[in-house]
Amino acid sequence: EILMTQSPATLSVSPGERATLSCRASQGVASSHLAWYQKKPGQAPRLLIYGASTRATGVPGRFSGSVSGTDFTLTISRLEPEDFALYYCQQYGGSPTFGRGTKVELK
Amino acid sequence: QLRLQESGPGLVKPSETLSLTCAVSGASIGSSNYHWGWIRQPPGKEPQWLATIYYTKDTYYNPSLNSRVTISSDTSKNQFSLKLTSVTAADTGVYYCVRRDIMILAFDLWGQGTMVTVS
Repeated sequence: EILMTQSPATLSVSPGERATLSCRASQGVASSHLAWYQKKPGQAPRLLIYGASTRATGVPGRFSGSVSGTDFTLTISRLEPEDFALYYCQQYGGSPTFGRGTKVELK
Repeated sequence: QLRLQESGPGLVKPSETLSLTCAVSGASIGSSNYHWGWIRQPPGKEPQWLATIYYTKDTYYNPSLNSRVTISSDTSKNQFSLKLTSVTAADTGVYYCVRRDIMILAFDLWGQGTMVTVS
């Protein structure tokens, strides 16, 4: 099983600031096989990014994804109030697995 | 309108079988463009993929579930189902039915989720 390690566990940010979330795979994951999801309380997860860097339909341009080796990054360029949420990375190279999440909270 | 809707009992006794159904509207589960599956999220934990079924009826399961899980589909009703046997408290959580677009491979559509408690 491929383990996905996300850091930090919690990120305290002010609206308008930049947020950088990291995700590392325990073994090689093709960049085309990495997704990011946003999760808000009481709601289903929402696909934000797939293929490591492609925004899903309707996702604002302030969300971007990148990859360097086995390290994946989700960047929110300027945080809006609705962006405070949990974010999960997920690989789907084999049996899909999720990271434990990064909570983006209001500073 | 494209929608996935889970249904099933919210409370299951230990050692019994958990059965859930996902009704799909706005898309055909017989389409070759999508796979259909189940993901659960225990309280305070990350989501866990459980199973996927293709339009061909091929099925794939999370190996950690030790053959307790079965996914099936009924194209005539445009729905698919999950059975999880011998449940324990560790199976408590929110269960989501999901769609995976074969072009992007990620889970692009999720149901609202249904809370299942084993007690």
